Amino acid sequence: DARVTQTPRHKVTEMGQEVTMRCQPILGHNTVFWYRQTMMQGLELLAYFRNRAPLDDSGMPKDRFSAEMPDATLATLKIQPSEPRDSAVYFCASGLVLTGTGVSAGELFFGEGSRLTVL
Amino acid sequence: GESVGLHLPTLSVQEGDNSIINCAYSNSASDYFIWYKQESGKGPQFIIDIRSNMDKRQGQRVTVLLNKTVKHLSLQIAATQPGDSAVYFCAEPMDTGRRALTFGSGTRLQVQP
Repeated sequence: DARVTQTPRHKVTEMGQEVTMRCQPILGHNTVFWYRQTMMQGLELLAYFRNRAPLDDSGMPKDRFSAEMPDATLATLKIQPSEPRDSAVYFCASGLVLTGTGVSAGELFFGEGSRLTVL
Repeated sequence: GESVGLHLPTLSVQEGDNSIINCAYSNSASDYFIWYKQESGKGPQFIIDIRSNMDKRQGQRVTVLLNKTVKHLSLQIAATQPGDSAVYFCAEPMDTGRRALTFGSGTRLQVQP
């Protein structure tokens, strides 16, 4: 049963600490997305990668957030230093975009999310 | 769950009734649209999509209608069941050059037994 796996599911930390969230996309998917969900803003795109290359990270606060894909099976989202306003649920999603056409195969598969609380 | 506490419009229906969830989209150039369902404590889950060259598409118990004239999308759920209780989001591509999705604010569906 192919699925996107995210760790940790829950994280409570203190302001100023570094937080790293990890995602294992579905094998064979070439596009990985990071979304953040909050009560006020809903689902916001933070960054996304195609074939491990960053395509867009304009939704991320650059001074404290960083996203990487060290290999095809791992995407990471790091916050350093964390702040209380970063408290949210962070979702990773993966999908398949048909290369050459730029057309999406349609569906994004989301992980269960990482709930972050920064005190 | 993640969406609890969101000040979302709520649709309350009786089990067995049909549900209609509406969405207004913003980009007239969007070439496809997707409906997602998010249950409490889980990530969004794909329900059905529709290309812009269609005005109706049917799945199992669900139908999506697209009205490009007024940029309106609806999701119809037939014979609504308690397991359909969730938050429903419509989504469209951010722009034609990128394939990331932008999500609407969502509608909470509550099914009364």
